[in-house]
Amino acid sequence: DGGITQSPKYLFRKEGQNVTLSCEQNLNHDAMYWYRQDPGQGLRLIYYSQIVNDFQKGDIAEGYSVSREKKESFPLTVTSAQKNPTAFYLCASSMESLGSNYGYTFGSGTRLTVV
Amino acid sequence: GQQVMQIPQYQHVQEGEDFTTYCNSSTTLSNIQWYKQRPGGHPVFLIQLVKSGEVKKQKRLTFQFGEAKKNSSLHITATQTTDVGTYFCAVTTRGKLIFGQGTELSVKP
Repeated sequence: DGGITQSPKYLFRKEGQNVTLSCEQNLNHDAMYWYRQDPGQGLRLIYYSQIVNDFQKGDIAEGYSVSREKKESFPLTVTSAQKNPTAFYLCASSMESLGSNYGYTFGSGTRLTVV
Repeated sequence: GQQVMQIPQYQHVQEGEDFTTYCNSSTTLSNIQWYKQRPGGHPVFLIQLVKSGEVKKQKRLTFQFGEAKKNSSLHITATQTTDVGTYFCAVTTRGKLIFGQGTELSVKP
């Protein structure tokens, strides 16, 4: 079955450490996205990539970095510069690069806790 | 940047009652999408509306896009406990999807 795989589901890190969240899709989608969700809140866009080797900052990119070396993969690194990293991170992909007429497909998310 | 306001933030209903959530924008929208996120889960795409005044139905769910394409609503008829979750509207702008704050629906059996 095609889909998006995020790993791990739960992640614990000490303050000051960088951590990389994995996102892999086998849907052959061009565009991929990273969102952050805090309890009781909506989704806020961190970074997005419309094509391999290219990506753009979203609304809350500070303290995060990404790469898009392969179409299938879009890892997110949460750096020590991110002031409030504890959150639920969601990766998504879409068929069309300029928004989607088919909706976004989301992974099951990674819950990151920084202590 | 593009923003959509979604109301209410929370809605508690008795099973069998109806439920409606609304999304409003100050600017004209090219389209609007709706997603459902179950507790502890991830958002799942429900539908996209594109045309002015469009109405689409999925079983007990009715989606509407305003005539001016500045607002949209999701109405659930006769809620069931399986409808529990948070419903988000989302709009595309410059190649990215911006989400409303969501409406959390709880259903009392």
